[in-house]
Amino acid sequence: AQSVTQLGSHVSVSEGALVLLRCNYSSSVPPYLFWYVQYPNQGLQLLLKYTTGATLVKGINGFEAEFKKSETSFHLTKPSAHMSDAAEYFCAVSRNTGFQKLVFGTGTRLLVSP
Amino acid sequence: NAGVTQTPKFQVLKTGQSMTLQCAQDMNHNSMYWYRQDPGMGLRLIYYSASEGTTDKGEVPNGYNVSRLNKREFSLRLESAAPSQTSVYFCASSGPGGSTGNSPLHFGNGTRLTVT
Repeated sequence: AQSVTQLGSHVSVSEGALVLLRCNYSSSVPPYLFWYVQYPNQGLQLLLKYTTGATLVKGINGFEAEFKKSETSFHLTKPSAHMSDAAEYFCAVSRNTGFQKLVFGTGTRLLVSP
Repeated sequence: NAGVTQTPKFQVLKTGQSMTLQCAQDMNHNSMYWYRQDPGMGLRLIYYSASEGTTDKGEVPNGYNVSRLNKREFSLRLESAAPSQTSVYFCASSGPGGSTGNSPLHFGNGTRLTVT
């Protein structure tokens, strides 16, 4: 079975500061890993994904994440936060075989102050 | 290109009432899903349909039924609503093989349901 733990339900940063959102996963098989973003009153949108190959994955809006198998982590980072990054971010995991269903973490709300 | 469309956007029900949440996608996706989102619990899968003609239970199916009407449409029914079903409901779709890296989930904007 797969599961995801997101540390910190809320993260606050100043505009221009580094963004770091933490995600650790548990999976009995090699996983696919995802970050989704949810803006207010909207559905989730895919930010980036790791399937196979390069462990550093770049996504939209300047975000990136690194798959670290030894640490079972897939943390999301952005060098410089913008006000428009304020949203809720979800890490998710699925198996890499068979029909795949995503298992989501509980989410981290990113607050960006001027 | 509308993507995934959900109706209604908001709904208030009394305990015991029934209702159907509608979902349609125009991306020719094979797979469709219903999730509920509750504070501090992330998104939990209620039911999914891997392809037209099939439906399967997800993590929290109790109190719900689904119908995959055709390839485009996937509805969620609450037969006898309970306050514990107060939530935001999201429909999503994806291409073949499920929510793979090659075919991520596409979400609707959600239905906010309150059961009093």
